[in-house]
Amino acid sequence: DQQVKQNSPSLSVQEGRISILNCDYTNSMFDYFLWYKKYPAEGPTFLISISSIKDKNEDGRFTVFLNKSAKHLSLHIVPSQPGDSAVYFCAASAGGSNYKLTFGKGTLLTVNP
Amino acid sequence: EPEVTQTPSHQVTQMGQEVILRCVPISNHLYFYWYRQILGQKVEFLVSFYNNEISEKSEIFDDQFSVERPDGSNFTLKIRSTKLEDSAMYFCASSEPASYGSNSYEQYFGPGTRLTVT
Repeated sequence: DQQVKQNSPSLSVQEGRISILNCDYTNSMFDYFLWYKKYPAEGPTFLISISSIKDKNEDGRFTVFLNKSAKHLSLHIVPSQPGDSAVYFCAASAGGSNYKLTFGKGTLLTVNP
Repeated sequence: EPEVTQTPSHQVTQMGQEVILRCVPISNHLYFYWYRQILGQKVEFLVSFYNNEISEKSEIFDDQFSVERPDGSNFTLKIRSTKLEDSAMYFCASSEPASYGSNSYEQYFGPGTRLTVT
């Protein structure tokens, strides 16, 4: 039951270029979307989020875009830095009383110097 | 910066034994969660906890699992009789109550406890 899908298991980009990580979802009840970054042997770290009432949210080098009609979101990192190398998880929540998150499988981003 | 802490970082136990995983959420947070990640798989929701009771649990969270907030700071996950398939990373998370300027959707995760059942 893959309600949140990250179809690219890995992505490699050059330092200074743009990284684009993609995520698709199937559950129309999702109303909030988040990106988490995870290093090995650490917990997921919250990066950026977007509400379903918006189509873009920006925080420094990170921008998340949401296309509700396509049930698609993407995370743009510009410019990419070697320290950005990590696994990036897309997560979604249907809200309600508990805010539980449904995660994608993650995309391993490697930024080469 | 406040953070979620978890102990132990690694727990090895024999099948059938009880384990308790401990978490200290961020102090002003009121929503608490446990997730797990089996090696090579996605992070999966186990249970959410608010106002001293479970607000939702997944089908994974069967009668062998329980959660408790025994005092004002700790949040624990107990597995009564561990099975080999319980081997995973267990993450605790917390989020703050919704109010102006805060967002209950944004959950902050601890570093995890690696549970190995032999």
